[in-house]
Amino acid sequence: DIQVTQSPSTLSASVGDRVTITCRASQSISDWLTWYHQKPGKAPKLLIYKASSLESGVPSRFSGSGSGTEFTLTISGLQPDDFGTYYCQQYSSSSSWTFGQGTKVEIK
Amino acid sequence: QLQLQESGPGLVKPSETLSLTCTVSGDSLSTTIYYWGWVRQSPGRGLEWIGTTHNSGNTYYNPSFKSRVTISVDTSKNQFSLKLSSVTAADTALYYCVRHGFTRSNFHHWGQGTLVTVSS
Repeated sequence: DIQVTQSPSTLSASVGDRVTITCRASQSISDWLTWYHQKPGKAPKLLIYKASSLESGVPSRFSGSGSGTEFTLTISGLQPDDFGTYYCQQYSSSSSWTFGQGTKVEIK
Repeated sequence: QLQLQESGPGLVKPSETLSLTCTVSGDSLSTTIYYWGWVRQSPGRGLEWIGTTHNSGNTYYNPSFKSRVTISVDTSKNQFSLKLSSVTAADTALYYCVRHGFTRSNFHHWGQGTLVTVSS
């Protein structure tokens, strides 16, 4: 099975900061990487798909990059509404889906 | 507008079978092009994909659950279901039903989730 490892597990940043979260896959997944944002008590919300495609309605301060085994989610100008936990998720051609452990973002 | 609603017992005894149903509105399970599945979330294990089905007959299960899990579809009720047998306390979690995205590579729509506790 393909594993995905996210880092850091938590981060604290100020409004306006640039924030970067990394996700590494245990083997190449091409660009089949999705990013989600989850707030307490809510289901995850899809932000970025196919590593770098912005989901409709998601603010442009969110961006994704990477391919193969290393991926990043960047928030350019952190906003108060961006607190919560971010997850990456991989899809493999063997029809298997795996999530990262999550990165909790706290606003200073 | 697509809506997914999970339902089922909130408390299941150890060794018994957990059964949940997802009622879909805004799409038809008999004609849809999309894949449908179950994901669970617990503090200790995070988000875990359980399994996925499609009206083509293809069904995929997480190997971690494969021997215990069954996903089925009832097109007459526009529902799909999850059965997880021989549950233990480790199966205590918030269970979500989901619709995959167009490429099936991710989970585009989520239900609100239903908490299932395994306890005697």
